[in-house]
Formats: sequence, C-alpha cells, structure tokens
Amino acid sequence: GAVVSQHPSRVICKSGTSVKIECRSLDFQATTMFWYRQFPKQSLMLMATSNEGSKATYEQGVEKDKFLINHASLTLSTLTVTSAHPEDSSFYICSARKGPANEKLFFGSGTQLSVL
Amino acid sequence: SQQGEEDPQALSIQEGENATMNCSYKTSINNLQWYRQNSGRGLVHLILIRSNEREKHSGRLRVTLDTSKKSSSLLITASRAADTASYFCATVLQGAQKLVFGQGTRLTINP
Repeated sequence: GAVVSQHPSRVICKSGTSVKIECRSLDFQATTMFWYRQFPKQSLMLMATSNEGSKATYEQGVEKDKFLINHASLTLSTLTVTSAHPEDSSFYICSARKGPANEKLFFGSGTQLSVL
Repeated sequence: SQQGEEDPQALSIQEGENATMNCSYKTSINNLQWYRQNSGRGLVHLILIRSNEREKHSGRLRVTLDTSKKSSSLLITASRAADTASYFCATVLQGAQKLVFGQGTRLTINP
C-alpha cells in the first residue's frame, strides 16, 4: 500500500500566527509532493509542487512568502501558513506520487484551518 | 486553472440505481484519473485510464475515454449508500507532472 499521513487534521489559530502542516509518506519515498487548497463544495486548487531537496514550484497567484513549503526529505513535506488571516481559512490537502510522473497520487486526509 | 469540467455538479439517486458522471477537458492529456472524496477527507484514487485506452473496468466502476471529444465518463453500477461522496476527474497534461482536477460531482445515494 501507499499511505500518506497529514497532520494536524484540524487547527484553529488566531490571526497573525503561523501554522505548520506536515505531510508524510509512511511506506514509500515521495520525490514529489503536491499541496492543494479546497474551499467548501469546490474543487482542489493546486498551490505548489514540492520536490525533495529543491525549491517548491508555486502556481500562479500563490504567494510563496505566505505559504512556505519545505521538502527536506523523501518522506516529509511541510506547508507553513505564515501570519495567517481569516481569508486563509480553508481545507489544505497534501498528496504524494509514489512512482513516475503521470501516475496516480496518494492523498493525506487533509487539514481544516480556521483562522479567527 | 481548472482543466476539467464535470457534469452534473450534483446527482441524487436511489440505492441500486446506476450513477453516471461526465468529465470534459480542454487540452491533450497523458491519462485521466478519477478520484473520490468523502466529506472533509482526502481523496482516494479510483481508476486511471490512459490516452490510448477507451474503456476500463474496476469492480462496479466503468470508465470510458473519448479523446476525440476530450471527454470521459464514470459509471457506478448498483449504487450503495456508501458510494455517497464527491467524485473528481483529474488530468495530467502532456509534458507536465501536475494533476489538475475538475469541479467534481457530488453524488448522493438515497437508501
């Protein structure tokens, strides 16, 4: 199997604080991980592609200084929402690719971020 | 930007009936994938169909792909209440490594 663990599953924080979300591939090495954002009843919007050992590639319109992505090892990628504001409240989901490009993704269970 | 558009946006049927969801996309693809998402959870991969394939089966799932029309359909036969979820198609653009998701179909199976 291929399991991706994401935590925390839910976080509530005050405006202005930073929040770190972790995404781990438990039983495989993931050279590439992806971070998505999802609003209620909407689709997933790709935020960035995270490659182990290199800088993340951000999608157009995503602020890289706001959403810091680190992929320090083949099994861990982190997303830090810096100086969070209420408009950052959303469901964040990570995914990892087990094999070569173009193949299926394995998803974490998501993190519901609520910024007060 | 979103690559795929799904139809219908929402579908409600009785248990035991078949459910069909459609997905259209805009540019050439390497493959098309279908995922399922239960409310408030991550996505689960259901099936992948390559651009040179026309139909694929997996249990109660049947997926078709028509590259000339740039469309795909997902058929769930003999639906169950547990099939209630959102279903997304996703495409990998030629020359790219990222997966782009459609808008999704919210499927409700009524017992």
